[in-house]
Formats: sequence, C-alpha cells, structure tokens
Amino acid sequence: DAGVTQSPTHLIKTRGQQVTLRCSPKSGHDTVSWYQQALGQGPQFIFQYYEEEERQRGNFPDRFSGHQFPNYSSELNVNALLLGDSALYLCASSRRGQGLHGYTFGSGTRLTVV
Amino acid sequence: GENVEQHPSTLSVQEGDSAVIKCTYSDSASNYFPWYKQELGKGPQLIIDIRSNVGEKKDQRIAVTLNKTAKHFSLHITETQPEDSAVYFCAASISKAAGNKLTFGGGTRVLVKP
Repeated sequence: DAGVTQSPTHLIKTRGQQVTLRCSPKSGHDTVSWYQQALGQGPQFIFQYYEEEERQRGNFPDRFSGHQFPNYSSELNVNALLLGDSALYLCASSRRGQGLHGYTFGSGTRLTVV
Repeated sequence: GENVEQHPSTLSVQEGDSAVIKCTYSDSASNYFPWYKQELGKGPQLIIDIRSNVGEKKDQRIAVTLNKTAKHFSLHITETQPEDSAVYFCAASISKAAGNKLTFGGGTRVLVKP
C-alpha cells in the first residue's frame, strides 16, 4: 500500500519565480494538509484541503495557495518566491472522521530558493 | 493560537540509558498530543500519541505522560538503541470535526552512542 507520495523530491528556484509542488494522499485518505519545515525547526501548518476546498489556514501569506483535485491529490503553489521560502514542504493525508491518529506524512519536497 | 515549546534541543545518551524529552503547550483546549520521529531525508513518523483523557500511555520501550493541569507532556524512551537516533517532535492539536492541524515543537535531536 503506497503511502503519501510527493513530487518532486528536490528543486531549485530563483527569487521571484513560482513553484508547484504535488502530493498524492495515502489510499483511503481524503484530506490533505501542507506544512513548511525550515531547517532545524518543527513543521508549520500552511493549510488543509477537504472536498476540494481550503478548510483551515495557518499564518502564511496569500503567495501560498493550493488546490485539491477530485481524486484527492493536491498541489501547493508559491508565487514570488523569497529566499526565506527555502524549506522542506511536507504533505500529510488523513481520512475525515478519523481525526489525527491516521495522519500520515510524505517524505517532502526540498525547495531551495537562490 | 497554540504554542508548543520543546526541551532539550539536543540530547546525547549512552546506549541502554533512558531519554526524556519534555514539551509544554499554551492552549488548554488542546486534546491530542502526538510524538513524531523524523529520520534524515524522511517525513515525520508517528511513534506514539495520547489524548487528554489519559495520563499515561506505553508502547514497548516508549511511554508518554500528560499533565493537563500544568499543560506539559513528556516522551520517555527506555533501553535506548542506536536506531533511536533521530529528531523527535512533539505536537498538540484541538481535534475537531471541522478540521485538524498540528502545532509542533522545535524538535529534539537525539544521539544514542554505542
């Protein structure tokens, strides 16, 4: 059973560019959450998607946006990249009604902004 | 919003000894407290969790305790082994039907010396 898969695993972007990260949830999961993990820090919640709508949002600017598709996969878009956006971006999936116990993280996408 | 603090930031123990990591949280409404282990190049993996109606939970060499009055919880690893070396994160959440997000501590880098 495949877990949460994220792509790409690594990428390098230039300041001001835009980036799209992708996430496929674990089989049977319908909710996707995105986190940003700066080097040496704990993950920070960006937003959560369920039924193709953003349900909750953390303290991140509008440059961060997302989308969820009918097959429950999700994208994270970041516009006008800043050096400070360099981080590991984690996707976590879960199933509505199961709370957080079934929360499963992917291995992340390492974004470097130069 | 919720704030989670974690101590120590690094912990070095001799193989076979015990390791203890402590976390405090700020929001008394938090009712779910998971612990994650993150190895290099991987996403966080749930190792144990506890809900607010329980004071202690054990799973083989791992145990977690929760003091709701003091708003702190701890992870105890006994008989440490080299494969326990990793970064450990505590987190807190208010589990609700409308959506769930985790607030993480800053992490503890554990090194188990053979």
